[in-house]
Amino acid sequence: DIVLTQSPVSLPVTPGEPASISCGSSQSLLNYLDWYVQKPGQSPQLLIYLGSNRASGVPDRFSGSGSGTNFTLRINRVEAEDVGVYYCMQTLQTFYTFGQGTKLEIK
Amino acid sequence: EVQLVESGGGLVKPGGSLRLSCAASEFTFDRHTMHWVRQAPGKALEWVSSITSTASFIYYADSVKGRFTISRDNAENSLFLQMNSLRADDTAVYYCARAGRELRFSQWYYVGLDVWGQGTTVIVSS
Repeated sequence: DIVLTQSPVSLPVTPGEPASISCGSSQSLLNYLDWYVQKPGQSPQLLIYLGSNRASGVPDRFSGSGSGTNFTLRINRVEAEDVGVYYCMQTLQTFYTFGQGTKLEIK
Repeated sequence: EVQLVESGGGLVKPGGSLRLSCAASEFTFDRHTMHWVRQAPGKALEWVSSITSTASFIYYADSVKGRFTISRDNAENSLFLQMNSLRADDTAVYYCARAGRELRFSQWYYVGLDVWGQGTTVIVSS
């Protein structure tokens, strides 16, 4: 199985400042990687699909980049509503796998 | 409103069975691959199983293979997960999710798991 490793595990951010989350894969994914966020008490929601495509309704301060084994999710200016756990998920193999999550919190 | 609503969770003893359901509304259910994803308490998301639109292809995580069975009834806009031989480590919130797709240049493209249900809780305990 493909293993995804996210860093950091915890990410304290000051509102208005940028934030970046990395997702590394145990093998090349080409661009078959999505990003999801799970806000407190909510179901996961899609942010980015196929590496860099913003999902419908996602603010443009969210962006995804990368290919192969290294991917990054960036938030230009963090807002209080961005608090939650961010997950990457690979869709290269039919047996999808998630990263362990990155918890974004506001300083 | 496009929606997925799970049901069927509950408390079950180890070795027991449960059948989860996911009711879809306000979209063309029979055109989408569907997934089950679970989340154990305090843990990360874990992909469980998927089924293509006509059930031609079905996939399972190793952790549930041979014990869980995914199915769908396109006439009833419903997705199911039959869970047998349940273990304590199957305790989790179970979400159903839709694989979105968009038509571009006469081809359908995957656009992420774009619709999720609210989840149903399964607790396996004696």
